[in-house]
Amino acid sequence: QAGLTQPPSVSMGLGQTATLTCTGNSNNVGNQGAAWLQQHQGHPPKFLSSRNNKRPSGISERLSASRSGITASLTITGLQPEDEADYYCSAWDPSLNIWVFGGGTKLTVL
Amino acid sequence: EVQLVESGGGLVQPGGSLRLSCVGSGFIFSGYWMNWVRQAPGKGLEWVANIKQDGSEKHYVDSVKGRFTISRDNARNSMYLQMNSLRAEDTALYYCAFSTTTAGCWGQGTLVTVSS
Repeated sequence: QAGLTQPPSVSMGLGQTATLTCTGNSNNVGNQGAAWLQQHQGHPPKFLSSRNNKRPSGISERLSASRSGITASLTITGLQPEDEADYYCSAWDPSLNIWVFGGGTKLTVL
Repeated sequence: EVQLVESGGGLVQPGGSLRLSCVGSGFIFSGYWMNWVRQAPGKGLEWVANIKQDGSEKHYVDSVKGRFTISRDNARNSMYLQMNSLRAEDTALYYCAFSTTTAGCWGQGTLVTVSS
C-alpha cells in the first residue's frame, strides 16, 4: 500500500511564503485530491484543508491548497512562528477503498 | 461542533488484546466511512483500517490483517477496533478520523503501549 510523497523538510524565513508538495498517482491524488493536516509536537493532527481545497472555519486565510495532476500543494503566506509544525497530506484511493498518507514535511520558520 | 473521542488504550503485554472505542458527535455518524489511523512514537501517520457507512465493507493495512477487527454501531455513533495478538510494533497513538471531499475530523487519540 504505497503512500504519498512529501519532502521531509522545508525551511523558510519569517514573513516569507512556503509551498509544500504532495505527489500521489492517478487513483488517489489525481482522482480525489488531497487533504492537509498540521501537527504540532505533542498534539493530534489538525484538519487544515479538504480534498476539494476548502478550508474549514477557523483556519487562517494565509493557507491555501491546490492541485495539478497528481501533485497537491499547500501554500502558506506570511510565515509566522506558529506555522512551524509537521504537515501531512492524505488522499482517498477509491480503487482500493483505503486512505493513504504522505510521510510528512517538517516546516521550519527561520 | 463536530467531535470524535477515542478511549480504550493502555499498557498490554505482547500477545495481548485491547478494544478501542470512538464516539462521534455533531455530525451524522452513519453517513461517513470511518477510519483508524495510528502514529508510532516519533513517526508519521499510518492508516490502519476503515469501515463503510453500513459496516458492509472493511479494509485493513497489511500489517494488521488477521489480528485487528474494525466494527461500528451507528445507533451509538460509535466505532471500535478489536486488537488481538498485539506486538511491540503496534505501540502508537491511535486516532479515529474521517475525511470526505469537503470535510474532515480527527480525535485526540488514545495511546496503546505493547510491552512486557
